[in-house]
Amino acid sequence: DIQMTQSPSTLSASVGDRVTITCRASQSISRWLAWYQQKPGKAPKFLIYKASSLESGVPSRFSGSGSGTEFTLTISSLQPDDFATYYCQQYNSYATFGQGTKLEI
Amino acid sequence: QVQLQESGPGLVKPSETLSLTCTVSGGSIVSYYWNWIRQPAGKGLEWIGRMITTGNSNYNPSLKSRVIMSVDTSKNQFSLKLTSVTAADTAIYYCARAYGGGSWFFDIWGQGTMVTVSS
Repeated sequence: DIQMTQSPSTLSASVGDRVTITCRASQSISRWLAWYQQKPGKAPKFLIYKASSLESGVPSRFSGSGSGTEFTLTISSLQPDDFATYYCQQYNSYATFGQGTKLEI
Repeated sequence: QVQLQESGPGLVKPSETLSLTCTVSGGSIVSYYWNWIRQPAGKGLEWIGRMITTGNSNYNPSLKSRVIMSVDTSKNQFSLKLTSVTAADTAIYYCARAYGGGSWFFDIWGQGTMVTVSS
């Protein structure tokens, strides 16, 4: 099984900040990585696929990078709507999610 | 646009079978992979399995012995059965779409349905 580990688990930030969340895979997954945003009581929302490709309609302040075992999600200038929990997901072999990063004020 | 809606009992007794259905509206169920994902309260996401209308399916190895998935193209629905449930199966269950062909990410999700395993 491929394990995904996100850091940090919780991130405190303010509106306007630039933030980065890291996701590490237990083995190489090439660029087969997706990112999701989840707000309380809601289903996850799909943001990014293939490590850095933005889903249609997702604001350009979101960006992803990385390959192999280390990946990042960056939000360039936090907006109030961005405070949520973020998950990475590998799809090199079936599907495994990271444990989540809660982005809070 | 395509929308997904889960349905099924919210309470299941231990050792019994959990049964859920996902109805696809606004688009065809054909040519996509349909997935089940669950999330215990306050915890992370766990992929359960996927199925396409041709009958091809893949399941999470940790759950494979207890999972049965099926698709009904006439109703634009797909279903999950999880046998011999325990309290550890208590979670919000989501259905979600994946393109397949290497694109095993989930672009559309249902709103989720809470299932509690308790006597």
